[in-house]
Amino acid sequence: AQRVTQPEKLLSVFKGAPVELKCNYSYSGSPELFWYVQYSRQRLQLLLRHISRESIKGFTADLNKGETSFHLKKPFAQEEDSAMYYCALSVFGNEKLTFGTGTRLTIIP
Amino acid sequence: DAGVTQSPTHLIKTRGQQVTLRCSPKSGHDTVSWYQQALGQGPQFIFQYYEEEERQRGNFPDRFSGHQFPNYSSELNVNALLLGDSALYLCASSPIMEGSSPLHFGNGTRLTVT
Repeated sequence: AQRVTQPEKLLSVFKGAPVELKCNYSYSGSPELFWYVQYSRQRLQLLLRHISRESIKGFTADLNKGETSFHLKKPFAQEEDSAMYYCALSVFGNEKLTFGTGTRLTIIP
Repeated sequence: DAGVTQSPTHLIKTRGQQVTLRCSPKSGHDTVSWYQQALGQGPQFIFQYYEEEERQRGNFPDRFSGHQFPNYSSELNVNALLLGDSALYLCASSPIMEGSSPLHFGNGTRLTVT
């Protein structure tokens, strides 16, 4: 069975400092990894997915199969990055998502 | 495009009662999934509907059932409500295509069981 672990429930970072939200997964096959974000009073929305290999709002995430990790990074935090972030995994060809418990990121002005 | 819409927004029920939640998918999407999000947890997959049939199901008891209509909208029914069913219920839609599709989520229905 698939499992996603986000070890930090809360993370506070000063504006302009680098951000890293950790995500580890367990799955024996080749998963597809996602980061979803939920801003205050908004719905859960896709931030990025590993197969796209793109940067969204300055965030990037690299899939490390050796370490089974998909950490989310941004070099310079902005106040509008404050939100709840969820790492999620799916098996290729299957839309079912397995989510982590989420990390609440707070950017300190 | 309104995106995924869910109704009602909030609902309070008594233990033992039955509840029906509704979802309209994003325009152009034909697959609907339901998730339960308990307080402090990530969303957990309940089941998915495509072509009016349940395609796959998570670890939820038979008290949780669903339906998809010809216009792709969907309902989630929960019978014999328990206090532990109190949660945010999220509907998500996606188009059927090769490979995994990113899901589009609704705002959810907050169910409180007393």
